Amino acid sequence: DAKTTQPPSMDCAEGRAANLPCNHSTISGNEYVYWYRQIHSQGPQYIIHGLKNNETNEMASLIITEDRKSSTLILPHATLRDTAVYYCIVYMYSGGGADGLTFGKGTHLIIQP
Amino acid sequence: NAGVTQTPKFRVLKTGQSMTLLCAQDMNHEYMYWYRQDPGMGLRLIHYSVGEGTTAKGEVPDGYNVSRLKKQNFLLGLESAAPSQTSVYFCASTAARWAGVNEQYFGPGTRLTVT
Repeated sequence: DAKTTQPPSMDCAEGRAANLPCNHSTISGNEYVYWYRQIHSQGPQYIIHGLKNNETNEMASLIITEDRKSSTLILPHATLRDTAVYYCIVYMYSGGGADGLTFGKGTHLIIQP
Repeated sequence: NAGVTQTPKFRVLKTGQSMTLLCAQDMNHEYMYWYRQDPGMGLRLIHYSVGEGTTAKGEVPDGYNVSRLKKQNFLLGLESAAPSQTSVYFCASTAARWAGVNEQYFGPGTRLTVT
């Protein structure tokens, strides 16, 4: 799997959009970008994933650059409950195997009141 | 629908003792995983299973064994616990996947301390 680089921590004001960057400059053509988050002491939670196109769901938006070397997760209206560690993961489906996910250290997002 | 549950939530062991962690899921998922998370670190894959009766090694399998006798359950065993196995253990599951999709559902974790 390609490696990802994320800032260790970020602050965002409550009610503002939180933009979390991720660099994955060695990503290959068939690797997906996944985002998970982990609220303190809980198990990780899936947020969103994408391959080439931008994606949006009820939780967030994912913007992937045209060259796919970086992406941004956007939480449109951050709340205090969004304070968590956010993991950017690059994943390639290898077929047949179960393929666990490779979690780095992520970005600790702190939403300020 | 409880999702993924883990038993126990907390445990303290002495070096050399053994124990089994239980993971159960009620979503009829084919794939199940055991991860460990050390302080300030991301999760690392210990073992996984692609279906009932199957298991395979992940990134850090040494010192652990697993079994998947029933589709809904995935057991993680420590035969002789060591202080290096002090960690938080997470179980996860996912449905049979098509290309690219690997949305894993995680349990609440088991906090294990080995003294």
